[in-house]
Amino acid sequence: DTGVSQDPRHKITKRGQNVTFRCDPISEHNRLYWYRQTLGQGPEFLTYFQNEAQLEKSRLLSDRFSAERPKGSFSTLEIQRTEQGDSAMYLCASSPRGTNEKLFFGSGTQLSVL
Amino acid sequence: GENVEQHPSTLSVQEGDSAVIKCTYSDSASNYFPWYKQELGKGPQLIIDIRSNVGEKKDQRIAVTLNKTAKHFSLHITETQPEDSAVYFCAANGAGSYQLTFGKGTKLSVIP
Repeated sequence: DTGVSQDPRHKITKRGQNVTFRCDPISEHNRLYWYRQTLGQGPEFLTYFQNEAQLEKSRLLSDRFSAERPKGSFSTLEIQRTEQGDSAMYLCASSPRGTNEKLFFGSGTQLSVL
Repeated sequence: GENVEQHPSTLSVQEGDSAVIKCTYSDSASNYFPWYKQELGKGPQLIIDIRSNVGEKKDQRIAVTLNKTAKHFSLHITETQPEDSAVYFCAANGAGSYQLTFGKGTKLSVIP
């Protein structure tokens, strides 16, 4: 399967703990995006990368959130000091050169903060 | 920023009938309007998209129409099948940004 891969699929953590998610985009795609989706809502933009450069961040992305994309390949999203309000599906997407808006999503990481 | 409104929130149709989902957007500079289908436990999947220089686009049983003056666009699914049952999201890009703003989704149920 050459789609966008996310790991883990599910994560349960206690409030105050740190969590990290990984995303492996489609190999030839140069742009990578993180979105967050809560129940009954559409995905909300968090941040995106072109190669290794983080070019845009949403105001939703508080100081507790950090994303990296070393070497322009896989990406990680870390949430520090998790809060119950962080419970959501975290979706990663990538897009190919020349058609940057066409997003191909992974299956997401479902985070539950207890 | 961009605001996208989508309706209805739920839609039930008999197999073989047509389904229509409508969205409005606020940013007149938006120029890209995709539609995504999301099945339970999966990420959204792009099913069709349209750019602002085109009024209509069709792909087999799926079509999208765009009215830039009124700032609304619609998804049309003809000859619906049970496997069309899913949540559908519309989206629009914001001016000068690569981020997409999504609607809240429409849960489509196709009754056999």
